[in-house]
Amino acid sequence: ETGVTQTPRHLVMGMTNKKSLKCEQHLGHNAMYWYKQSAKKPLELMFVYSLEERVENNSVPSRFSPECPNSSHLFLHLHTLQPEDSALYLCASSQVANEQFFGPGTRLTVL
Amino acid sequence: DAKTTQPTSMDCAEGRAANLPCNHSTISGNEYVYWYRQIHSQGPQYIIHGLKNNETNEMASLIITEDRKSSTLILPHATLRDTAVYYCIVRANAGGTSYGKLTFGQGTILTVHP
Repeated sequence: ETGVTQTPRHLVMGMTNKKSLKCEQHLGHNAMYWYKQSAKKPLELMFVYSLEERVENNSVPSRFSPECPNSSHLFLHLHTLQPEDSALYLCASSQVANEQFFGPGTRLTVL
Repeated sequence: DAKTTQPTSMDCAEGRAANLPCNHSTISGNEYVYWYRQIHSQGPQYIIHGLKNNETNEMASLIITEDRKSSTLILPHATLRDTAVYYCIVRANAGGTSYGKLTFGQGTILTVHP
């Protein structure tokens, strides 16, 4: 248990569906992150929120929409995804620039 | 952030020390060396980090060469549960309200066998 939880753990969705991934951290951290890990590829940073403001958006397509309502919660809203978006989506949190703690991930399959 | 080079894979016998090398010859003075590992299909797990002194915690030891161009992660008594991908990452610890970006490479696949 890292103190970072993610739900759901597995998600199957069609290309026309809208779904959301949820991340919650119980560590009192003030930065949260979304990463994507496709098969056989390194983790790719998608979004960063520091003090509830988005500070990085790594050229992620607009069909991925993050939301950080407070320092403990982070969402990734998904709509009209493509099959190539199937991947493991990981959330992490940190106290600003200190070490990041990762959640278990959501395994997403887009049909 | 400086680039790191790690072997693609390594083997280790259970109960023996696992020594995982990492080269980071372009590391700059304010950059730290971080190690994470990822057990299959789980989130990465923080192991240890250091700037220039050797570090030890309950999981591992980190040995950084004097010129800081390379480092070695040591798992003193490897178990089967240490089988994972190990990532060596170099990054600056930004201060104030900035975050520290982690850039993951391919890492080293460590297989611990009985």
